[in-house]
Amino acid sequence: QVQLQESGPGLVKPSETLSLTCTVSGGSVSSGSYYWSWIRQTPGKGLEWIGYIHYSGSTNYNPSLKSRVTISVDTSKNRFSLKLTSVTAADTAVYYCARWRSDSNHRFDYWGQGTLVTVSS
Amino acid sequence: NFMLTQPHSVSESPGKTVTISCTRSSGSIASNYVQWYQQRPGSSPTTVIYEDNQRPSGVPDRFSGSIDSSSNSASLTISGLKTEDEADYYCQSYGSSNQVFGGGTKLTVL
Repeated sequence: QVQLQESGPGLVKPSETLSLTCTVSGGSVSSGSYYWSWIRQTPGKGLEWIGYIHYSGSTNYNPSLKSRVTISVDTSKNRFSLKLTSVTAADTAVYYCARWRSDSNHRFDYWGQGTLVTVSS
Repeated sequence: NFMLTQPHSVSESPGKTVTISCTRSSGSIASNYVQWYQQRPGSSPTTVIYEDNQRPSGVPDRFSGSIDSSSNSASLTISGLKTEDEADYYCQSYGSSNQVFGGGTKLTVL
């Protein structure tokens, strides 16, 4: 059973950088069939795709966040990470990591439990 | 880029059937698969429909999905409603290099 677990600070100051890591167990980030994704959900609102990365290093980002987002992968530690720069209160959200199946059965099939990140001084 | 528009909320009685729509703003709804996710309060989303009309194992056949090119929309239909179906439902699709979620629909079973 694949499991994803987010980790990182729950509180970030305005203008600083939000950094989160997603550790994958029960599966490999090096599988070519998947894209490893970050998705966020602002309190009481909907889901917003942030971006994803393939183990080869290929990335795609949400155009609305692209200038502030970097997603990286560490195959040796079977994990991937998110950095979001110059955060404001609008970036306060629950951040999920998830796996996107790209070869068949297209869907986000595994999700982490989510981690709340609050942007506040 | 395109948007997916869902009704903010729907409600129906137990045992009845409800349909949630998801309309694509530009480009054909048939050009990329549509997925549907259920999210209960305090939990992560789970897939109830993928690739327009496929059910993952463990999802009851009360859940079905379809697309309609004439209205450029996808639909999630839940029949024989149960109180446990009360949740938020999100449609999702993708373009050549992006993923898009609908705004979500709150289903109330009363």
